[in-house]
Amino acid sequence: ETGVTQSPTHLIKTRGQQVTLRCSSQSGHNTVSWYQQALGQGPQFIFQYYREEENGRGNFPPRFSGLQFPNYSSELNVNALELDDSALYLCASSLAGVVSGTDTQYFGPGTRLTVL
Amino acid sequence: QKEVEQDPGPLSVPEGAIVSLNCTYSNSAFQYFMWYRQYSRKGPELLMYTYSSGNKEDGRFTAQVDKSSKYISLFIRDSQPSDSATYLCASWASGTYKYIFGTGTRLKVLA
Repeated sequence: ETGVTQSPTHLIKTRGQQVTLRCSSQSGHNTVSWYQQALGQGPQFIFQYYREEENGRGNFPPRFSGLQFPNYSSELNVNALELDDSALYLCASSLAGVVSGTDTQYFGPGTRLTVL
Repeated sequence: QKEVEQDPGPLSVPEGAIVSLNCTYSNSAFQYFMWYRQYSRKGPELLMYTYSSGNKEDGRFTAQVDKSSKYISLFIRDSQPSDSATYLCASWASGTYKYIFGTGTRLKVLA
């Protein structure tokens, strides 16, 4: 067990709706990263938060947004859902920010989102 | 060209076999290399973490990095049916924000 939890486990939405996914990081981990994993693919980096500030973003549109809270919880919000947003969404927590040379990321079990 | 390439498999081997899983990468700035194991419908679980070139061993698992050829390998000795999973390689450059993952190789170990 990594100590990283995510909710909900599964979610079904329709195109155009909005969704919020939640993550609880390991205590003491100041960094949380979110990834999208489509079926049969490796995880793709969405963005990273360090101490409640976004400090890096992958190639995802602005309708993907996030929040990180002081209690080691975080959210991924997706607006105007599209069919291609159907995927496993993973959060990963790590101890330090990007300057660390030992920034091992520990993943949660993921939320499987289906967009109809 | 993807920054990290990995053969998606599937790879089927008999129990007890030595398994070799491989990735190549293109970004010379990558310094850290990871192997994750992912069971069906679960999140990735960190197996091995290697810095720069060389070998690292942990039980039945050996990770190998050859920076001159940009080649990453994971060897599994005495493979077990419980090793059946998808194995993801990932690379990271210090000072960047993200891990770059390969597509994953599906491994099936037959009893």
